[in-house]
Amino acid sequence: NAGVTQTPKFQVLKTGQSMTLQCAQDMNHEYMSWYRQDPGMGLRLIHYSVGAGITDQGEVPNGYNVSRSTTEDFPLRLLSAAPSQTSVYFCASREDSNYGYTFGSGTRLTVV
Amino acid sequence: RKEVEQDPGPFNVPEGATVAFNCTYSNSASQSFFWYRQDCRKEPKLLMSVYSSGNEDGRFTAQLNRASQYISLLIRDSKLSDSATYLCVVNEGGTASKLTFGTGTRLQVTL
Repeated sequence: NAGVTQTPKFQVLKTGQSMTLQCAQDMNHEYMSWYRQDPGMGLRLIHYSVGAGITDQGEVPNGYNVSRSTTEDFPLRLLSAAPSQTSVYFCASREDSNYGYTFGSGTRLTVV
Repeated sequence: RKEVEQDPGPFNVPEGATVAFNCTYSNSASQSFFWYRQDCRKEPKLLMSVYSSGNEDGRFTAQLNRASQYISLLIRDSKLSDSATYLCVVNEGGTASKLTFGTGTRLQVTL
């Protein structure tokens, strides 16, 4: 039981490049979310999903896309990277709204 | 006003001390509440859920006051290993999957 697995752990992008952050969970959780964490701002919700085929925007969705074709996977796509997207990205999953999230170990992204 | 507010600290306490963290939230329709712990450069980890009746897990006690929209975490007999940032988390009403995180309170336990 690996929990929530994120790849890559570190990434450096040039402005304008695109990439996909991968997230997979093996706990059969319906709810999954992507957060970014910046100094002094706490964790902010980017996108979330309440089940396969269902996604919705969070607090800071601009510049990011998500899809949820399976229960296990919830990739986050950066369409055209900008320096403002330099951050630590966390994927998380939970069984339902009565439970807290289990987080992946994060992806540290730097956009230059 | 921030949706979830915490004193950022840092709280510097000696080993064995009792320390309390407070958190206020703005959405009265919030449904569930949690405390997370985050170590430096690590992911947040669930410490405990917070129930209306209050709940205890070893040295940790969480309390919820819905009338005042206030959550607390009490740590007794602090250990060096308790040094971390503690995040208050609120499940907003209306959107079941939306958790809002406070910016965290940093605790440093010293010898």
